[in-house]
Order: sequence, then C-alpha cells, then structure tokens
Amino acid sequence: DIQLTQSPSSLSASVGDRVTITCRASQSINIYLNWYQHKVGKAPKLLIYAASTLQSGVPSRFSGGGSVTDFTLTISGLQPEDFATYYCQQSYSTPTFGPGTKVDV
Amino acid sequence: EVQLLESGGGLVQPGGSLRLSCAASGFSFSNYAMAWVRQAPGKGLEWLSHLSGSGDAAEYTDSVKGRFTISRDNSRNVLYLQMNSLRAEDTAFYYCTKWHTPLRSEFDPWGQGTLVTVSS
Repeated sequence: DIQLTQSPSSLSASVGDRVTITCRASQSINIYLNWYQHKVGKAPKLLIYAASTLQSGVPSRFSGGGSVTDFTLTISGLQPEDFATYYCQQSYSTPTFGPGTKVDV
Repeated sequence: EVQLLESGGGLVQPGGSLRLSCAASGFSFSNYAMAWVRQAPGKGLEWLSHLSGSGDAAEYTDSVKGRFTISRDNSRNVLYLQMNSLRAEDTAFYYCTKWHTPLRSEFDPWGQGTLVTVSS
C-alpha cells in the first residue's frame, strides 16, 4: 500500500493567517491526491481533488498543488470556520489517507 | 441534492455481527462506486472497502478482509456493510461515501456516520 505522511501533525493559527499543510507519498502517485476537511461530529468534506482542482462550492482561499510524491494544501486567509482537521488521501491505487493535520487557534 | 444516510450502528459484543445500511438519494446510484470509511476514537480516517456501481467488483483493506462484506441493492439505492467477527478495535464511526468521479476514488459527499461500539 502507498503510505502518506502529513506535516505538521498540528498547528496553531489565527484568523487571517496563511496556512500550508504538506502531504508526502511513499511512491509516485502522479496527481491523484485529494484533500478533505473534517470537523468533529460532521461529515468529512472534499476540498481539493486531483492535487489542485477545487471542488464545487469550496471557497477559493483553499488551494492545492504538487505532483508525483509531494503535495500541499494552502489556506489563504484562515477563517473561523476553517479550524478543523485536514486529511490527504491518494486515489492512485487502493485508497489510503494521511494521518491528518489539526488546525486550531 | 445528493444525500447519504447511514443506519444500523450500535453496541455489539466481541465476536458479534452487525449490518450497516446507507440510503442514497439525489443521484443515479447504480452509476457510481460507493465506499465505507471509518474513524476510530482519537484516530484518523481509514478506508475500508469500495464496490463498483454494478456491484461486481469489491476491494477491502486487509484489516477487514474475510470479516466484512460490502454489497448494494441498486433497485433500492442502498449500500450495505455486513460486519462479522467484530473486535474491540472495530469500534468507530462508520461513514458511507460516493466516488466523485467514475475512475478515481475521490470521496464526495459523505454521510453523517453511524457509531459502532464493540464491547462486552
């Protein structure tokens, strides 16, 4: 299976900050990397798919980049509703998720 | 609007069985692969299984292979997860989700989840 690592595992930020989360795959996954937002008690939400394609309805302050093994999720101008845990997931082969990055105040 | 609603969770003893259901609406159910993902307490998301739209191709993660069975009823727009030989480590919220595109396992949307607790 393809392993995904995320860094940092958690971060503290303030409203308005620019936040970047990194996801690294254990082997090449082309651009087949997706990002999700998960809040406690809520359904996870797809933010970005195919590394950089913004899912419909997701605010443009979210952006994704990267390819092969190294990927990023950037939130430009953190909003109060963005405090959550973020997961990367690869869809190149049998799906796997990264361990998550918790973004809090 | 696409909606997914899980049901069937609850408290079960180790070694017991449970069947989860996911009622889907708002899209052409048989055209999309579906999946189950879980989150154990204090842990991250873990993909468990997915099933093709026609129901003839399934895949499982190693930890549930041979114990869990995914299936679907396309006439009723329902996805199932039959869970046998349950263990304490299967305690988790179980989410039903849909493949966003036909060829790749991007998951969108997700149901609200159903809690399975395995304990004596």
